[in-house]
Amino acid sequence: GEEVAQTPKHLVRGEGQKAKLYCAPIKGHSYVFWYQQVLKNEFKFLISFQNENVFDETGMPKERFSAKCLPNSPCSLEIQATKLEDSAVYFCASSQAYQEDEQYFGPGTRLTVT
Amino acid sequence: GESVGLHLPTLSVQEGDNSIINCAYSNSASDYFIWYKQESGKGPQFIIDIRSNMDKRQGQRVTVLLNKTVKHLSLQIAATQPGDSAVYFCAESGFQKLVFGTGTRLLVSP
Repeated sequence: GEEVAQTPKHLVRGEGQKAKLYCAPIKGHSYVFWYQQVLKNEFKFLISFQNENVFDETGMPKERFSAKCLPNSPCSLEIQATKLEDSAVYFCASSQAYQEDEQYFGPGTRLTVT
Repeated sequence: GESVGLHLPTLSVQEGDNSIINCAYSNSASDYFIWYKQESGKGPQFIIDIRSNMDKRQGQRVTVLLNKTVKHLSLQIAATQPGDSAVYFCAESGFQKLVFGTGTRLLVSP
């Protein structure tokens, strides 16, 4: 598609429950990125993929967060045992090239942990 | 560590005025910068970018200026319109991951 698609739009989970977010990058884009935005302020980089391979995972809280980009499937970001501080909007972005290339963002998934 | 910051959290202008949004960055090795616009409930939307081998780049009603000496970036919006009301973020691209500033809210009144 011509836009990055993210589902669901909103997700509510009780503390300790699992949350799974999905992202379909723009067709033909090789790079996928996940960012976390808290309180409409700055974005925190989580992880990036080059096709199905993890490219950079330096931002991932590895204990509870995991992500995948499998062939012919939407990419996913999963949070095991959610905590209150995981409440945020999670954005997925995709780009065509490696460096100095525009990242196109999806509309985001708002996760609320209660 | 790396950080990208903005000088003003909120900028209020009248319709038709020119707006200037500023940003400071700390990583002198950065070579690519982007301005994004984020409207309420939406993802960041690309506005304009600039590479470190340039000082200025112009788009439609927008101009980005880069001063590498003082590590400063600015976004100029000409003839600001109510539709320009949003939060604007500068971002630095380091090995493809983006480092964002905290954002400046632009309020345009008729």
